[in-house]
Amino acid sequence: NAGVTQTPKFQVLKTGQSMTLQCAQDMNHEYMSWYRQDPGMGLRLIHYSVGAGITDQGEVPNGYNVSRSTTEDFPLRLLSAAPSQTSVYFCASSYGGGNTGELFFGEGSRLTVL
Amino acid sequence: GESVGLHLPTLSVQEGDNSIINCAYSNSASDYFIWYKQESGKGPQFIIDIRSNMDKRQGQRVTVLLNKTVKHLSLQIAATQPGDSAVYFCAENLGGATNKLIFGTGTLLAVQP
Repeated sequence: NAGVTQTPKFQVLKTGQSMTLQCAQDMNHEYMSWYRQDPGMGLRLIHYSVGAGITDQGEVPNGYNVSRSTTEDFPLRLLSAAPSQTSVYFCASSYGGGNTGELFFGEGSRLTVL
Repeated sequence: GESVGLHLPTLSVQEGDNSIINCAYSNSASDYFIWYKQESGKGPQFIIDIRSNMDKRQGQRVTVLLNKTVKHLSLQIAATQPGDSAVYFCAENLGGATNKLIFGTGTLLAVQP
């Protein structure tokens, strides 16, 4: 069982470049989300989705776009990378419905923007 | 691995001792709380959860305590082992129809042999 798979694991970009972080889950989870993790700041929610075709903003959405065309995939797009987006990005998924917190996380994607 | 431990509060314990990790949450309306463990270079992993209608919940070697009056959550680990060394995060669910979790900044648990 693969769980949540993120690619790439490492990426270096130049300022202004664009890229997409991929996230796929094989657990048929309705809920998917993206977090970024910076030293001393914990995990901060970027965007989330409660099901295919539905997305919403989290705490720090600026500079990122998402889409959810299928239940399995939830890509995160950086349209014009900035050094402030250097971080470790985690994708997570869970069963649908409210008031459940057991998120299943991927292994993370480490992004450096020069 | 990822240096998520930089600038984090650190709790250093001896192997075999009990550990208590504390967390203050921010939203009085939060009704569901979770503890996650993150080992170096890996994603966070679910440990234990508790709903707001409870004040204590026990798992295997772990206990979570919730004090809603002062908005405080704690994680107790019994007989701490070297494999428990990790960063521990508390998270609160803001309720409603989504799994919108807000995470704390984390505590680094260092277990000394």
